[in-house]
Amino acid sequence: AQSVSQHNHHVILSEAASLELGCNYSYGGTVNLFWYVQYPGQHLQLLLKYFSGDPLVKGIKGFEAEFIKSKFSFNLRKPSVQWSDTAEYFCAVNAGGTSYGKLTFGQGTILTVHP
Amino acid sequence: SQTIHQWPATLVQPVGSPLSLECTVEGTSNPNLYWYRQAAGRGLQLLFYSVGIGQISSEVPQNLSASRPQDRQFILSSKKLLLSDSGFYLCAWSIRGRSNQPQHFGDGTRLSIL
Repeated sequence: AQSVSQHNHHVILSEAASLELGCNYSYGGTVNLFWYVQYPGQHLQLLLKYFSGDPLVKGIKGFEAEFIKSKFSFNLRKPSVQWSDTAEYFCAVNAGGTSYGKLTFGQGTILTVHP
Repeated sequence: SQTIHQWPATLVQPVGSPLSLECTVEGTSNPNLYWYRQAAGRGLQLLFYSVGIGQISSEVPQNLSASRPQDRQFILSSKKLLLSDSGFYLCAWSIRGRSNQPQHFGDGTRLSIL
């Protein structure tokens, strides 16, 4: 069975600081990887995804993530965070192929950005 | 464009009462549909998924059931709620047959059992 681990439960930063949220998964086959964000009072929405090609993917709002297959990792980064990035971030993976798109989520990381 | 609707947004129910949460999708056909439960600090747990009308797969043993009476309608039910059923329930859809496409989530239902 797949599992996803997010290293930090709560990250607190000041505006303009750099961000890196860790995500590791356990699955030996082909995977599709996603980062979702949930802003306060809003629904879960997609930040970015990776399924093939360039392992460095760019998403909305200046976020990017790097897929490192040898490390089973898909860390999320942003060079300079803003107060509006305060939200909960979820890493998710599915097994591709005939997985019916079923996602396994990490525990989530709450990001608080102070102005 | 596609939209997903979930209702109600908030529900308070006594232990032992029945439950029915509804989710509908507009603007797409033949979607995969999913029910998740979100617990604080524990991410989202997949409860059920469906790849077609009447086709339901359960991911975890539990007190809940799901049904898909129409292509774009997904219902989460229980005959008798338990305290442990409290939580935040999310419905999602994705394009059938395309596992590399993201899931799109509704606004969720916060269920409190008293």
